[in-house]
Amino acid sequence: DGGITQSPKYLFRKEGQNVTLSCEQNLNHDAMYWYRQDPGQGLRLIYYSQIVNDFQKGDIAEGYSVSREKKESFPLTVTSAQKNPTAFYLCASSENTNEKLFFGSGTQLSVL
Amino acid sequence: GQNIDQPTEMTATEGAIVQINCTYQTSGFNGLFWYQQHAGEAPTFLSYNVLDGLEEKGRFSSFLSRSKGYSYLLLKELQMKDSASYLCAVRAGGSYIPTFGRGTSLIVHP
Repeated sequence: DGGITQSPKYLFRKEGQNVTLSCEQNLNHDAMYWYRQDPGQGLRLIYYSQIVNDFQKGDIAEGYSVSREKKESFPLTVTSAQKNPTAFYLCASSENTNEKLFFGSGTQLSVL
Repeated sequence: GQNIDQPTEMTATEGAIVQINCTYQTSGFNGLFWYQQHAGEAPTFLSYNVLDGLEEKGRFSSFLSRSKGYSYLLLKELQMKDSASYLCAVRAGGSYIPTFGRGTSLIVHP
């Protein structure tokens, strides 16, 4: 079955620690995205990538970093510079820039 | 920027019809999406409108009026499993990436 897989489902971060959220897709999609979802707020774009080895900052990129070394993978690192990391993180992909987004099942990140 | 407005919460009865509205203020409109999201799960695509009018897909329909900056999602013959958040997202301003509203939490009761 084709789809997007995010792992882990739940993640805990200690103060000052960097953590990496995994996102893998086997849909052969060119574009991938990371969104953050907070209660009562819409999805906010963190980073996106249109093609391998290229990515762009979204609306709330500060405190986050990404890489796109392979077409199927777009990991997100939440760095210690992100002072309010507790949120539900959603990864998405689309066949190209004109198509609808397919979402992964999300990672809930909490701070210990 | 874009301003997208949806009601925060709605309730409806099983078997009834409910209309979820979405209004937006933007320049260079280039399409509007509706997604369904159950708590703690992935949003799933429901519909996409880029031209004015009604698009029907089974129990779900979506309407768009570009001149009014308005869309609605119509859910017929409501079922308990339709209890979820419904996200309106707009693509505009030369960007292909949709901007999401805050979502409408729909509660269906017996």
